[in-house]
Amino acid sequence: QVQLQESGPGLVKPSQTLSLTCSVSGGSISSSTYFWSWIRQPAGKGLEWIGRIYTSGSTNYSPSLKSRVTISVDTSKNHFSLKLTSVTAADTAVYYCARCFGGSTASFDYWGQGTLVTVSS
Amino acid sequence: SYVLTQPPSVSVAPGETPTITCGGNNIGSKSVHWYQQKPGQAPVLVIYYDSDRPSGIPGRFSGSNSGNTATLTISRVEVGDEADYYCQVWESGGDHPVFGGGTKVTVL
Repeated sequence: QVQLQESGPGLVKPSQTLSLTCSVSGGSISSSTYFWSWIRQPAGKGLEWIGRIYTSGSTNYSPSLKSRVTISVDTSKNHFSLKLTSVTAADTAVYYCARCFGGSTASFDYWGQGTLVTVSS
Repeated sequence: SYVLTQPPSVSVAPGETPTITCGGNNIGSKSVHWYQQKPGQAPVLVIYYDSDRPSGIPGRFSGSNSGNTATLTISRVEVGDEADYYCQVWESGGDHPVFGGGTKVTVL
């Protein structure tokens, strides 16, 4: 059974960089069958996709966040990471990592439990 | 960009069969996935590729997709099915996914 677990600071100051890691257990992150995504959800609101990474290192990002987002993968540690720069209060949300299966029409079949990140001074 | 439209809420009594719609331009030509999210929990995939169920998801959950509307149906709804439900597709070209705004299902 694949499990994903987000980790990182729960509080980030405005204008600083949000950094999160998603650790994958129960399966190899290196499998070419899957790719890996970050998704966030502000309190009381819907789901917003942030971006994805293939184990090759190839990435795609949300057009609205592209200028501030970097997603990377470390296959030796079986984890992938998110960096979001120049954060504001609007970036306060629960951040989820998820596994994607199914190529260009993929579903998110496994999710982490989510981690709340608050942007505040 | 592609837009998915869901009703904000649906209220039903236990044992009824609610349908949750997801509207989009020619959505029938896309693959639709559905997620259930209970309060304080991560989303769970309940239907993928329009109508397939992951292992462990009850047969009461079913999906269909045609024309401009995809539908999630919950047969004989239970109190435990109370949750937010989101539909999801990929933009043409598969560069990024789109989520519907979510439908809150309340079981009275």
